[in-house]
Amino acid sequence: NAGVTQTPKFQVLKTGQSMTLQCAQDMNHNSMYWYRQDPGMGLRLIYYSASEGTTDKGEVPNGYNVSRLNKREFSLRLESAAPSQTSVYFCASRNGLAGAYEQYFGPGTRLTVT
Amino acid sequence: SQQGEEDPQALSIQEGENATMNCSYKTSINNLQWYRQNSGRGLVHLILIRSNEREKHSGRLRVTLDTSKKSSSLLITASRAADTASYFCATDERGSTLGRLYFGRGTQLTVWP
Repeated sequence: NAGVTQTPKFQVLKTGQSMTLQCAQDMNHNSMYWYRQDPGMGLRLIYYSASEGTTDKGEVPNGYNVSRLNKREFSLRLESAAPSQTSVYFCASRNGLAGAYEQYFGPGTRLTVT
Repeated sequence: SQQGEEDPQALSIQEGENATMNCSYKTSINNLQWYRQNSGRGLVHLILIRSNEREKHSGRLRVTLDTSKKSSSLLITASRAADTASYFCATDERGSTLGRLYFGRGTQLTVWP
């Protein structure tokens, strides 16, 4: 099992450009999450999908959109990138069944917006 | 904010010493989890303690939870240089079935050989 995979690993964008961060998991998990990590801020939830077909906003959703394409894939889109979106983005997944609470994280995408 | 807060922000010790990190949070929880992040990598789940548990062990890790004080501690015994990483606590809000976790800002642990 590859676990949670993310592409790309690194990306540099100019202000106003758009891009989609891809995430896939092969653990048959129900729930998926997108976080951003900034120095000194810990992880903040952008969007999550508790189950296939549903998505909800987290703490910092402005400037982002998401798509739960199927049970495996959950993508994050930046429509018009801004320097404030320079960050490391992590995708995570969780089984979603009762008693299975831990989240499994991908390796991250390091995004720089100039 | 429901975010947890770790203390200290940074901890530097010698190999063989014990490392203790603390976490405080604000809301009632289902459980509290600790994660580890090596530099440049994703987070890895270490241990989970449920709200009705007071202490839990896993290898060299010992976690305590005091729900009356809304605090938890992570003890790593006999630390090794390979334990150098950032450690985060994360809380799962009571009554929630959505699996949202609220992360603290982390403790950066450095273990010197």
